Amino acid sequence: DAKTTQPNSMESNEEEPVHLPCNHSTISGTDYIHWYRQLPSQGPEYVIHGLTSNVNNRMASLAIAEDRKSSTLILHRATLRDAAVYYCIQKGSARQLTFGSGTQLTVLP
Amino acid sequence: KAGVTQTPRYLIKTRGQQVTLSCSPISGHRSVSWYQQTPGQGLQFLFEYFSETQRNKGNFPGRFSGRQFSNSRSEMNVSTLELGDSALYLCASSEGTGGSNQPQHFGDGTRLSIL
Repeated sequence: DAKTTQPNSMESNEEEPVHLPCNHSTISGTDYIHWYRQLPSQGPEYVIHGLTSNVNNRMASLAIAEDRKSSTLILHRATLRDAAVYYCIQKGSARQLTFGSGTQLTVLP
Repeated sequence: KAGVTQTPRYLIKTRGQQVTLSCSPISGHRSVSWYQQTPGQGLQFLFEYFSETQRNKGNFPGRFSGRQFSNSRSEMNVSTLELGDSALYLCASSEGTGGSNQPQHFGDGTRLSIL
């Protein structure tokens, strides 16, 4: 699976929306985009995944560009508990997850 | 449903020893993967098991091995421990065959320290 490109860090204010970008320019037609986050002293936590259309769940929304070369994870209302490293992963035929360095999200009170 | 359980949470060993780490996947999940996380290398894939068979292996030396039991529980073993093996070892499970559409669910890991 190819690596994705994410900013090293981002800041957000508490109770405001957060948009975390990810570039995956080499994505193939059957690759899914997965997002995970890792809080301090915990294992990664699955957030959301999608193929082509936008996806929503109780944690977040995933907006995938029409050409699928980029996507955005949207946290609608950031809380202090959302401070974590967020990983965007392009998952294809290989069953393992290939993690990059992710985006460290800091939420300011 | 209970999540992925890894035991022990913390372990201290000395160089040259061997260690066995245990992982109980989410009930009904048959695919189990192991990852190593270090500050320098980040999260790296070790191996993946499905129905007691290793299907995939990462780029790690043969000192790292694993197995899966008929109840899907998995163990990984590291022999002849080196200082560089100090890391957080994470186990993840997924439903079905673990394809591109299937998320993985992680435990909180075993923190292994080598003295």
